[in-house]
Formats: sequence, C-alpha cells, structure tokens
Amino acid sequence: AQTVTQSQPEMSVQEAETVTLSCTYDTSESDYYLFWYKQPPSRQMILVIRQEAYKQQNATENRFSVNFQKAAKSFSLKISDSQLGDTAMYFCAFMKQRSEKLVFGKGTKLTVNP
Amino acid sequence: DAGVIQSPRHEVTEMGQEVTLRCKLISGHNSLFWYRQTMMRGLELLIYFNNNVPIDDSGMPEDRFSAKMPNASFSTLKIQPSEPRDSAVYFCASSSLAGTQETQYFGPGTRLLVL
Repeated sequence: AQTVTQSQPEMSVQEAETVTLSCTYDTSESDYYLFWYKQPPSRQMILVIRQEAYKQQNATENRFSVNFQKAAKSFSLKISDSQLGDTAMYFCAFMKQRSEKLVFGKGTKLTVNP
Repeated sequence: DAGVIQSPRHEVTEMGQEVTLRCKLISGHNSLFWYRQTMMRGLELLIYFNNNVPIDDSGMPEDRFSAKMPNASFSTLKIQPSEPRDSAVYFCASSSLAGTQETQYFGPGTRLLVL
C-alpha cells in the first residue's frame, strides 16, 4: 500500500519570503500522480499543483513550484513571495492511476506572518 | 461551471438518528469519491465510484454506512444509526475518466456533529 509522509507538522514564514514544504512517499509503481492541496480555515480543499511521475520537468504554477525527485520518492512544494493568504494546511497526496483514490499525508500547517 | 456541490454544509444530530449527505458531481465528470476528515485519522477515502459503479468501498467503516449513485451526477452517503465517533468533515470529490485531467475536485464538505 502506498504511504505519504509529511514530516513537518507546522511551519511559519515571513511575508514575501520563500518556504519549502516536504513530502515523501512510498510506492512500487513507476507511473503515478502527485498533488499538493491547500486547505484554508474555510476547510475547502483547493488544488495547488500536480505532477505526473513520467514527466521529468518539475511543475510550476505562478508562485508555487515542486521539486520532484523520483528516485528519492520526494515531492517538495516551494512557495515563493509568501502571502498572508497562503496561510493554510497543505496536504501532499499520491494517486496510483487515473480515477483511483488519493492517499494523503497528515498535512503541514503553514502560517505566513506579516 | 459550478463546482462539486454538497449539502447540507453543516449537520447536527443526535446519536441513533439517520444522516444523509448529498453530493452533485461537476458536469461531465464520471468518477465520484467520498472522503472523511478527522483529527485522529486525517483524510481517508470511504468509497469511490466510476461510471456509477462502486469500485472500492474498503474504507467504509461498517454496515452503518452506505453510499449510492442513483444517477450519473448525484450521490448520497447515509449513516444509520449515527454515533458520536462519526463526527467529522465529509468531502466528496469528482474527476473525469477521460481526457487529460485526472485531478479530483472537492466540494466544500459537510461538517457532521453527532451528539
């Protein structure tokens, strides 16, 4: 069974600075998908970024980028120019193949300080 | 396009009562997932459907829980009888089996409190 580990329960960063959230996973699959979801206090689950394992290029979405290290089974999220609105829980998730379940990590609570 | 719609948003009930949670998929999507979020267990899958067919219900806690898709765009999750340990946020999510997008889009969740 796949597992996802987020080793940082909480992190904080100053506004405008850069922060990196860690995620490792365990799988024997060669093709799969990885995601970062954001959950603000409203509890809505919002997709931040996704990565297909067969793609070597790291995904980017505006201020959000990932460092995908397939051999190391690592998938970290970098947030540049942090904003107060980035304050939220961040969940790393693994999906074995299309239309299968997401396996989530326990989450990292990120606080952006003014 | 409207996103995933869930109702009710909040539900408070007493132990032993029946609870029904509802979910409407994004138009054109044909995969439906029910997740539960608790402090102790985090986010975990309860059940999911592809084209109205249940694929994996191994996460359903016990016989008190049941889920259906009476049509292609709608699902219900029923708890009967409810217990205090069922208190959680229940999310449904939908995705498409076709095309290039495999992302699951989540509804706003139903916060359930069983007294």
